[in-house]
Amino acid sequence: GAVVSQHPSWVICKSGTSVKIECRSLDFQATTMFWYRQFPKQSLMLMATSNEGSKATYEQGVEKDKFLINHASLTLSTLTVTSAHPEDSSFYICSAETGHSNQPQHFGDGTRLSIL
Amino acid sequence: RKEVEQDPGPFNVPEGATVAFNCTYSNSASQSFFWYRQDCRKEPKLLMSVYSSGNEDGRFTAQLNRASQYISLLIRDSKLSDSATYLCVVRNNNNDMRFGAGTRLTVKP
Repeated sequence: GAVVSQHPSWVICKSGTSVKIECRSLDFQATTMFWYRQFPKQSLMLMATSNEGSKATYEQGVEKDKFLINHASLTLSTLTVTSAHPEDSSFYICSAETGHSNQPQHFGDGTRLSIL
Repeated sequence: RKEVEQDPGPFNVPEGATVAFNCTYSNSASQSFFWYRQDCRKEPKLLMSVYSSGNEDGRFTAQLNRASQYISLLIRDSKLSDSATYLCVVRNNNNDMRFGAGTRLTVKP
């Protein structure tokens, strides 16, 4: 089945550091990739949708200058959390889809980000 | 009103029980429907798609009621390993995926 790889799986860093998370579709071309954030005991919150070769579409309340998304190819999207602060600590999950309407999204393993 | 709503639970059931979850959606033009399972501190994994005629996969049965705009998931003969959060996911007519908040299930021995 479709596989999405996300890296790194766990990051601990100091406040003010920028952190890049990669999301790759390993065996299919992902026309669209999604970035989610999930706080403990809460549901997934969509942060942004990215289409290959175009600017990401951010959900209301998500700072595009804070969370930089690049979807340079059909198999790779990156999320960079710039100048991360403790309140950015969360579980970040990417997902990818082929673009066919009856197909589900396939999720990466998630990245646990802890900012000290 | 949220686009996709689920009862957050928790549902605490004994092993072997049958349990059912419902999920309602507000966009009548929604196209596709899915149930995902998410274990604690892990990513969601696709459990099953939901088809108009209803579909079954082992102990799991999913049904769609377009008229009433809800989908359901039935789990028979619950196992301890079924303990997880079950997410209802709907693809709307803008091709956007919308997630329910999840229903937490705990199966106890």
